[in-house]
Amino acid sequence: RKEVEQDPGPFNVPEGATVAFNCTYSNSASQSFFWYRQDCRKEPKLLMSVYSSGNEDGRFTAQLNRASQYISLLIRDSKLSDSATYLCVVQGSQGNLIFGKGTKLSVKP
Amino acid sequence: GAGVSQSPSNKVTEKGKDVELRCDPISGHTALYWYRQSLGQGLEFLIYFQGNSAPDKSGLPSDRFSAERTGGSVSTLTIQRTQQEDSAVYLCASSYDRGNQPQHFGDGTRLSIL
Repeated sequence: RKEVEQDPGPFNVPEGATVAFNCTYSNSASQSFFWYRQDCRKEPKLLMSVYSSGNEDGRFTAQLNRASQYISLLIRDSKLSDSATYLCVVQGSQGNLIFGKGTKLSVKP
Repeated sequence: GAGVSQSPSNKVTEKGKDVELRCDPISGHTALYWYRQSLGQGLEFLIYFQGNSAPDKSGLPSDRFSAERTGGSVSTLTIQRTQQEDSAVYLCASSYDRGNQPQHFGDGTRLSIL
């Protein structure tokens, strides 16, 4: 089983739509979780950390379910500029980041 | 500069040559990480430094890969006798320390082995 698994997509949605991405991780001892965003041929950029109680940053909401080892990201009112690949990330024991392969989102006018 | 700086941005070299990639982390960041991203693949962790020390080199793909960091700042990743499968984007990230701190990535070095 891969350490971090995501649906690769692509998700093609119209502007204004709500879209949700899911991710599962294999190591139950993992403590830190993140969503990163990667634009084509660019470096990954931190979108948000994911906390046990769930957290929100504007149009973005992240949730963590430790019992199911499941992480989600909800994007409301999608914008064209949200088009990117969204990477589910778990922090490893060395502090390194363990990345999923990413879910590609394309927001259309 | 304020961010993580990597050089060169692009490197094209012939199979069998040695290459050296450089990473200059954000000032004051003690933790430094190397990753690589092959075409169509996820990011793969290679090695990390806490200060000048790399406690675990097991993530390096082969013994042709080595890395060092001096003065708690600049790090170099060296690939000897390059092979075509080494072609990838090599990304460096730094964070304030090794704990639950955001990692900031450089733009990467796009390495192409002919």
